[in-house]
Amino acid sequence: AQSVTQLGSHVSVSEGALVLLRCNYSSSVPPYLFWYVQYPNQGLQLLLKYTTGATLVKGINGFEAEFKKSETSFHLTKPSAHMSDAAEYFCAVSPEDDYKLSFGAGTTVTVRA
Amino acid sequence: GAVVSQHPSWVICKSGTSVKIECRSLDFQATTMFWYRQFPKQSLMLMATSNEGSKATYEQGVEKDKFLINHASLTLSTLTVTSAHPEDSSFYICSASGLLKDTQYFGPGTRLTVL
Repeated sequence: AQSVTQLGSHVSVSEGALVLLRCNYSSSVPPYLFWYVQYPNQGLQLLLKYTTGATLVKGINGFEAEFKKSETSFHLTKPSAHMSDAAEYFCAVSPEDDYKLSFGAGTTVTVRA
Repeated sequence: GAVVSQHPSWVICKSGTSVKIECRSLDFQATTMFWYRQFPKQSLMLMATSNEGSKATYEQGVEKDKFLINHASLTLSTLTVTSAHPEDSSFYICSASGLLKDTQYFGPGTRLTVL
């Protein structure tokens, strides 16, 4: 069984500041890892994913995440927050063999002017 | 590319009636479609997985006779909530994957309110 923990249900950052969203997973084997963003009244949009290869993954809108197997983590960062980054962010994992996603509880990001 | 639509975007129905929600992949062939349920301020919970032409696989605790899923073509899956009750009120979201099996593309969701 897999589970995903997102530390912090709500993160508030100033415009231009670093955005750091934490995600830890539990799994018997390293899973596939994903970050999705959900804007109000919209569907989930894939930000980035890790399946194999380089552990530092770059995604859309300036976001990146690093897979750290020893820490079972996949934290999401963005060096400089924009007002448009205000949204709900979900970390998700899936086994390699069936692609079923298990989601974390989500983190709401607000950006202060 | 990789657009998934859902219809309707919201629906209100009376208790005891059935509601059908459509999920379409607009610009790719979806070999697998997933249905999720999202409660307010909570995460998405996988309800079922469907492959084109096959019976859906339901997650533990999901009543297959209540939530009927049909995946009749490579671009369309439907979720029918039968004999809906107020506790079925929720946000239902579908996703689809194609050649890249490890990537799901999500629809905008359907908000169901059962009175």
